[in-house]
Amino acid sequence: QQQVKQSPQSLIVQKGGISIINCAYENTAFDYFPWYQQFPGKGPALLIAIRPDVSEKKEGRFTISFNKSAKQFSLHIMDSQPGDSATYFCAASIINTDKLIFGTGTRLQVFP
Amino acid sequence: GAVVSQHPSRVICKSGTSVKIECRSLDFQATTMFWYRQFPKKSLMLMATSNEGSKATYEQGVEKDKFLINHASLTLSTLTVTSAHPEDSSFYICSATNSRKDTGELFFGEGSRLTVL
Repeated sequence: QQQVKQSPQSLIVQKGGISIINCAYENTAFDYFPWYQQFPGKGPALLIAIRPDVSEKKEGRFTISFNKSAKQFSLHIMDSQPGDSATYFCAASIINTDKLIFGTGTRLQVFP
Repeated sequence: GAVVSQHPSRVICKSGTSVKIECRSLDFQATTMFWYRQFPKKSLMLMATSNEGSKATYEQGVEKDKFLINHASLTLSTLTVTSAHPEDSSFYICSATNSRKDTGELFFGEGSRLTVL
């Protein structure tokens, strides 16, 4: 119930391509879904987040798509760049608790 | 923007010693901070929730006597790994949320890499 499943585990994309990472959850009490980007040896940094009252949120090249009925959400990185190479984590929480449950992570490599 | 600072960023200690890691919110007050542990190429696992002025809440399987958490002020939480052993070697990361904002946004520190010899 508390798990957030993330796929794929790793992803290789050519520069300019679209990177897509998927997550699924079970707990219907989750109401906050952030994505974090983490570079080696660093803490995670918030990339973009969505609440379940919207189906899509876009910030620059990053878009979250949210499907409440399927309990799934995904991150799309448009025009992927080598600088996007990092590990991406989806997460979910019940907003008043601030307690994040993380997905297993996706290692993205973007080749020039 | 909001910044969470951790210190030290790297620490090496001998087995049996205790190590203290500090987590500070630099420009906001945080009544709640969180401590995570991350093994290489793995996800972040929540260890405990640190509450200002009260006892920390530990996740199942986390030894509270092993990982002492103190949240003495609205800007500082500390994690002490007591009697450290090599299996405690890991990347420890704290996070905090701005108490005055209901955004749910968590800010993470840069992490502290502990190596126990």
